[in-house]
Amino acid sequence: DARVTQTPRHKVTEMGQEVTMRCQPILGHNTVFWYRQTMMQGLELLAYFRNRAPLDDSGMPKDRFSAEMPDATLATLKIQPSEPRDSAVYFCASAPISVGELFFGEGSRLTVL
Amino acid sequence: GENVEQHPSTLSVQEGDSAVIKCTYSDSASNYFPWYKQELGKGPQLIIDIRSNVGEKKDQRIAVTLNKTAKHFSLHITETQPEDSAVYFCAASIRDTGRRALTFGSGTRLQVQP
Repeated sequence: DARVTQTPRHKVTEMGQEVTMRCQPILGHNTVFWYRQTMMQGLELLAYFRNRAPLDDSGMPKDRFSAEMPDATLATLKIQPSEPRDSAVYFCASAPISVGELFFGEGSRLTVL
Repeated sequence: GENVEQHPSTLSVQEGDSAVIKCTYSDSASNYFPWYKQELGKGPQLIIDIRSNVGEKKDQRIAVTLNKTAKHFSLHITETQPEDSAVYFCAASIRDTGRRALTFGSGTRLQVQP
């Protein structure tokens, strides 16, 4: 069945290292979101794309985070350099343009030591 | 931007009892209010949603009510079962326009005691 696929599921890295998280949205969905989940902040929107164009990335720390959609089947979220405060679960979600429901992946759990 | 507040943060009920989770939103332009359920180790999943032209919506044991004047909406789960134990998130947005993505509440951890 159709689902959003995220890799890696778990990542442990050291402070200062580059981290790249990948997302394959559901085929035919043209809106892709990146959310970050922490105990303190809940689900925060980092960025979202429609038809591969960024619509809003105001939730993302621009100095170290970047989000792209190289093609319709791949979205990436990169952190460089990573810091311990980036430790969280990062969710990708996709949606068809005219429907409100978001379909979430299972998340990428990032731990920065 | 939109701000969504959710209460309570944790809720423990006995199996068979009802559970109610409440949310308030700040932007009167919001017109779409979904509820998501997140099980351990999984991503959130939509369980019910309501649009601002409707005051109440039911789906089996789940119902959502909306008061646009007061800018609050609630999730009601009746006859709770252990499998209802999860974290529930409310959210608000302006549907279909692409003007704003979903803003989520802080979540409610529901524990149903057998």
